[in-house]
Amino acid sequence: SYELTQPPSVSVSPGQTASITCSGDKLGNKYACWYQQKPGQSPVLVIYQDTKRPSGIPERFSGSNSGNTATLTISGTQAMDEADYYCQAWDSSTGDWVFGGGTKLTVL
Amino acid sequence: EVQLVESGGGLVQPGGSLRLSCAASGFTFSTYWMCWVRQAPGKGLEWVANIKQDGSEKYYVDSVKGRFTISRDNAKNSLYLQMNSLRAEDTAVYYCARQEWSLHPYVDYWGQGTLVTVSS
Repeated sequence: SYELTQPPSVSVSPGQTASITCSGDKLGNKYACWYQQKPGQSPVLVIYQDTKRPSGIPERFSGSNSGNTATLTISGTQAMDEADYYCQAWDSSTGDWVFGGGTKLTVL
Repeated sequence: EVQLVESGGGLVQPGGSLRLSCAASGFTFSTYWMCWVRQAPGKGLEWVANIKQDGSEKYYVDSVKGRFTISRDNAKNSLYLQMNSLRAEDTAVYYCARQEWSLHPYVDYWGQGTLVTVSS
């Protein structure tokens, strides 16, 4: 079955750029999306179709996907961005959805 | 405003059954794929199942095949998950979610979740 791998944790200073990676075999041939989840809350979509931001998501959130790695980039990271982030892709051969294990972003 | 409200969670013994419901409002329910996603305590997200607009296609994660059944009632704007032969590893918050499509499927709206605890 298809797997996505994320680093368990990433730390960033306020105002700096945070990059969270998501790795999978030929992931660049699929589309990736990203969800943000704060403690005790439901997830929120922040990026879909590799690079698109839903309405209401700040411009500091951006995405890319190439080769075996998709990346979520948060520019000018703010304290409110501290959360768990999950990547997700779709295996069209099986119809299965796959989530990465999640990355805890700490802003300190 | 899109709203998804889950109900039906609770404590159940191993081997038991539970039926989750999700009441949808604020959008035309019958025109969207819907899905269930779960999250074990302190763990990550796991897709469980999804269902096409008319119920004619259903997909499940391998670990629940043969035990869980996803269904919907478009007249009642409701999504369901029948869970049988429950195991301790099914303990999780179960989210009802609306599936959107833009070259690939993803969730654009999530419910607040309902907790299922499988324990003796």
